[in-house]
Amino acid sequence: DVKVTQSSRYLVKRTGEKVFLECVQDMDHENMFWYRQDPGLGLRLIYFSYDVKMKEKGDIPEGYSVSREKKERFSLILESASTNQTSMYLCASDGMNTEAFFGQGTRLTVV
Amino acid sequence: DAKTTQPTSMDCAEGRAANLPCNHSTISGNEYVYWYRQIHSQGPQYIIHGLKNNETNEMASLIITEDRKSSTLILPHATLRDTAVYYCIVRTYNNDMRFGAGTRLTVKP
Repeated sequence: DVKVTQSSRYLVKRTGEKVFLECVQDMDHENMFWYRQDPGLGLRLIYFSYDVKMKEKGDIPEGYSVSREKKERFSLILESASTNQTSMYLCASDGMNTEAFFGQGTRLTVV
Repeated sequence: DAKTTQPTSMDCAEGRAANLPCNHSTISGNEYVYWYRQIHSQGPQYIIHGLKNNETNEMASLIITEDRKSSTLILPHATLRDTAVYYCIVRTYNNDMRFGAGTRLTVKP
C-alpha cells in the first residue's frame, strides 16, 4: 500500500517559532511537493523538489524553506511562524509517468 | 499564467454521465493531461491521465481532442459520492504540478 505520510495531523505553534513539517514517501518517487490550501484560494504550490538536494520555488515560497537530504523525505520549514501561515499543508509525491499521491494533510494553527 | 481553463461549477443528475471540460490551448507536445479530484478536505485523488489517445479506467474516461488543445473527463454514471472539485493539470514528468481553481461538480439526487 503506497503511502505519503505527514508527521502531524494537527499542529499548534506560537508566532515566531521555527516550525518543521515532515513528509515521507515509501514509493521511491523522484518528485515531491508542498502545498498549502486555504478556503477560496485552492491548492497553492509552495516548493517542489525533483531530486535529492534539488528544489524549485512554487507560487508562494516567501516565509518558507525546504530540505530534501534523502529521496524519501521532504521537509517544509517555517523559519519564523506567523499567523498568516495558519493553513492546511499538503505534501505529495510522484514518479515518472505515475500518479501523484498526497498525504493526509497537516492543519497548522499559529497563535 | 494558468495553463488550463475549467468552468467554475457544474451540476449533474445522479446516474447520468458527467462531462467535465478543460481547455489547454498552450499545451506542448510532451505534456500530459492529468485529472484529479478533491472531496471535501481530503488530499486530491488521482483519476486518469493521457498524452494523445483517449484513456479509460475503472473511474472515468478521458477524451483528448486531436489538436490536444482541450479534453473532457467523463464520469459515466455519476453518484452522490462523485461530488467534488475536479482539477485538470497539464505537465511533464519532473516538472512542477500546479492546481488551478478546478470545477466544483455537484451530483444531485
